[in-house]
Amino acid sequence: SQQGEEDPQALSIQEGENATMNCSYKTSINNLQWYRQNSGRGLVHLILIRSNEREKHSGRLRVTLDTSKKSSSLLITASRAADTASYFCATIHDMRFGAGTRLTVKP
Amino acid sequence: EAQVTQNPRYLITVTGKKLTVTCSQNMNHEYMSWYRQDPGLGLRQIYYSMNVEVTDKGDVPEGYKVSRKEKRNFPLILESPSPNQTSLYFCASSPSRGAGPQYFGPGTRLLVL
Repeated sequence: SQQGEEDPQALSIQEGENATMNCSYKTSINNLQWYRQNSGRGLVHLILIRSNEREKHSGRLRVTLDTSKKSSSLLITASRAADTASYFCATIHDMRFGAGTRLTVKP
Repeated sequence: EAQVTQNPRYLITVTGKKLTVTCSQNMNHEYMSWYRQDPGLGLRQIYYSMNVEVTDKGDVPEGYKVSRKEKRNFPLILESPSPNQTSLYFCASSPSRGAGPQYFGPGTRLLVL
């Protein structure tokens, strides 16, 4: 079974808008990671948030973690066409990925 | 440059013809893993290795074999490929399981006829 499950499956926005993706997981975690995948390419690590952190920032990325709800969210602010990709979450514990959120940013 | 390499990048083969996809990392990572990615199913882990000579099944190990004789290499072996193994395969490595990000290879696109 998949540990990280992303929602929505697909998201389409205009350049400059913010994009929010959610992730739910099933078991207790030590930390959670978000990855990005450009079409057909390998995943690239974006950010890691530890279980004792509630929020973390990296450039235009903001990740939140709610361990009581077993959920995390990734916010991309001021999106660009180059942000078009699939985004995945994964728990460190078992390195399982969900099906991802496909983000399309229209110029 | 720190990287994970996979070969071949593209492969077309026929049912039953044994094949090996190589994976190599130059970061001295202990943990390595193989995933397959299929539309709508995300990434599913096939096998992983915690260290040399230590391998274990992931979620979808049927029809695959692996070996870890050296720390840097983790080949994926399909002894008798079938069409349902047509997929995009990724190798990944990290310092250890549960310790930091995984670094992914560029992927191997396999078509089994």
